[in-house]
Amino acid sequence: QVQLQESGPGLVKPSQTLSLTCTVSGGSIIIGGYHWNWIRQHPGKGLEWIGYIYYDGTTNYNPSLKSRVTISVDTSKNQFSLKLSSVTAADTAVYYCARGAPAEFDYWGQGTLVTVSS
Amino acid sequence: EIVLTQSPGTLSLSPGERATLSCRASQSVISNYFTWYQQKLGQAPRLLIYDASSRATGIPDRFSGSGSGTDFTLTISRLEPEDFAVYYCQQYDSSPWTFGQGTKVEIK
Repeated sequence: QVQLQESGPGLVKPSQTLSLTCTVSGGSIIIGGYHWNWIRQHPGKGLEWIGYIYYDGTTNYNPSLKSRVTISVDTSKNQFSLKLSSVTAADTAVYYCARGAPAEFDYWGQGTLVTVSS
Repeated sequence: EIVLTQSPGTLSLSPGERATLSCRASQSVISNYFTWYQQKLGQAPRLLIYDASSRATGIPDRFSGSGSGTDFTLTISRLEPEDFAVYYCQQYDSSPWTFGQGTKVEIK
């Protein structure tokens, strides 16, 4: 059974960089055919796809966030990571990592709330 | 990007009743790469339907998906108490992948 777990700071100051890591267990991140995604949900709102990475480092980002987003992968640790720069209060959200098979999200992490505040 | 509009915003039904949720796309989803998710309070979304009409592993057959082009439907044939939740549609035909705003199915 594949499991995903987000980790990282729950509080980030405005203008700083949000950094989260997703650790995948129960399956290898280098198995082809899967995309490894970040998705966020603003409090009480709907879902927003941030982007994905393939095990070989190929990425695809949402244009609305592309200038501030970097997703990377560490296959040796079976992890992938999200960096979102120049954050504002509008980036306060629950951040999920999810496996795309290849694009329907079949496994999700539990989500982690990141609050942007000074 | 493809904008997905779900209706109704809230559906008030009783257990045992049939639920019909709609999702309309701003342009045709050519490949039928279309999904439905269920989300309960404080939980991550759960995949119900992919490729517009295929049930995900472990999903009861009271859930069914249909549609093509710009109009898609999720039907729950007989609501069970655990089905009261928020449902989201999503397309992965055209990047960026996008979600609808959600339909809340609440107990009447």
